[in-house]
Amino acid sequence: GAVVSQHPSRVICKSGTSVKIECRSLDFQATTMFWYRQFPKQSLMLMATSNEGSKATYEQGVEKDKFLINHASLTLSTLTVTSAHPEDSSFYICSASAPGRVSNEQYFGPGTRLTVT
Amino acid sequence: AQSVTQPDIHITVSEGASLELRCNYSYGATPYLFWYVQSPGQGLQLLLKYFSGDTLVQGIKGFEAEFKRSQSSFNLRKPSVHWSDAAEYFCAVEPGTASKLTFGTGTRLQVTL
Repeated sequence: GAVVSQHPSRVICKSGTSVKIECRSLDFQATTMFWYRQFPKQSLMLMATSNEGSKATYEQGVEKDKFLINHASLTLSTLTVTSAHPEDSSFYICSASAPGRVSNEQYFGPGTRLTVT
Repeated sequence: AQSVTQPDIHITVSEGASLELRCNYSYGATPYLFWYVQSPGQGLQLLLKYFSGDTLVQGIKGFEAEFKRSQSSFNLRKPSVHWSDAAEYFCAVEPGTASKLTFGTGTRLQVTL
């Protein structure tokens, strides 16, 4: 159990376009989802926390108008990178957690590799 | 603010040798503690976690970790490393209030045959 999927696994887009990444909890209802960004050979940096039905909470330095997060259902959160630029190229990983499961454990998706040309 | 330190950026061990990856945290109380493994281009897989109780925690793939409150450490160990263990290992902490994880910078493990 506790499977989280991401789609797509890889995406290449042109500079100035927008790209949407989906994060789904497949076998549980995720009241909270997290979005991380990971640069090559670096650690994961939390971008934002989203709770179902409410606005996401962004970490300091993360542009909320550039990285749009929607958590419209208990099994789906989306991250939209708007007006993407080459510096947005990165590995984006989501995770999900839920009450009633093992306390405070996050279940991670496989990640999405974004390349902006 | 809480922080996590993994002092070893890169470790190389021979297959069959023992392994210890270090993790120290800075936090006022005892947080929840985690070790994750990441293979290249993949997401994170949870190896083990400590919430409370027995300070020696057993995880998957033969890994274990020991929580030492006096040293603010949560080192990961494996008695005999396999070539498939080569990956990036991340230690993470959480305050225990259903808030966010803070990750260490990671330790890249290379296994020589």
